[in-house]
Amino acid sequence: DIQMTQSPSSLSASVGDRVTITCRASQDISNYLAWYQQKPGKVPKLLIYAASTLQSGVPSRFSGSGSGTDFTLTISSLQPEDVATYYCQNYNSAPRTFGQGTKVEIK
Amino acid sequence: QVQLVESGGGLVKPGGSLRLSCAASGFSFSDYYMSWIRQAPGKGLEWISYISSSGSITNYADSVRGRFTISRDNAKISVYLQMNSLRAEDTAMYYCARDEPIRGYSNALDYWGQGTLVTVSS
Repeated sequence: DIQMTQSPSSLSASVGDRVTITCRASQDISNYLAWYQQKPGKVPKLLIYAASTLQSGVPSRFSGSGSGTDFTLTISSLQPEDVATYYCQNYNSAPRTFGQGTKVEIK
Repeated sequence: QVQLVESGGGLVKPGGSLRLSCAASGFSFSDYYMSWIRQAPGKGLEWISYISSSGSITNYADSVRGRFTISRDNAKISVYLQMNSLRAEDTAMYYCARDEPIRGYSNALDYWGQGTLVTVSS
């Protein structure tokens, strides 16, 4: 099975900072990588699919990159409403594994 | 608009069974795979199963294989999760989500329901 490893597991940054979260797959998954945002007490929301395609309605400060085994989610200018846990997911094959999550807080 | 509504959660004793339902609307249900995902209290997301558009293909996480069964009824626009031999570690919020289409590129899990809570405890 493909394992997904995110880093860091948590981070604290100031409003306006550039934030980067990485996700590594244990095998080549091409660009079948999605990022989800889950705010406290809320349902997960799709942010990015195909590694770099922004889901409709998602602010342009979010971006994704990578292919193969190494992927990155970037928030160009952190906003208070971005406080959440972020998950990557392999959807190249089953099991469609998630990373363990990265909790983003405001400093 | 796309809507997914889960139901069937509740309190069940270890070793018991429960059947979850997910009613879909707002899209061509029979054109999409569907997935179930769960989240234990305070923990991360765990994908547990998907079913193909016709129901002929299913797949499971190792943690539930042999105990859980996914199914769908395209006429009733619903997907189900039969959960048997439940354990305390199955306690979680269970979400259904729209998965890949039978034509075109997948947008991953692009729509999620609100979830239904399953608690396994004596």
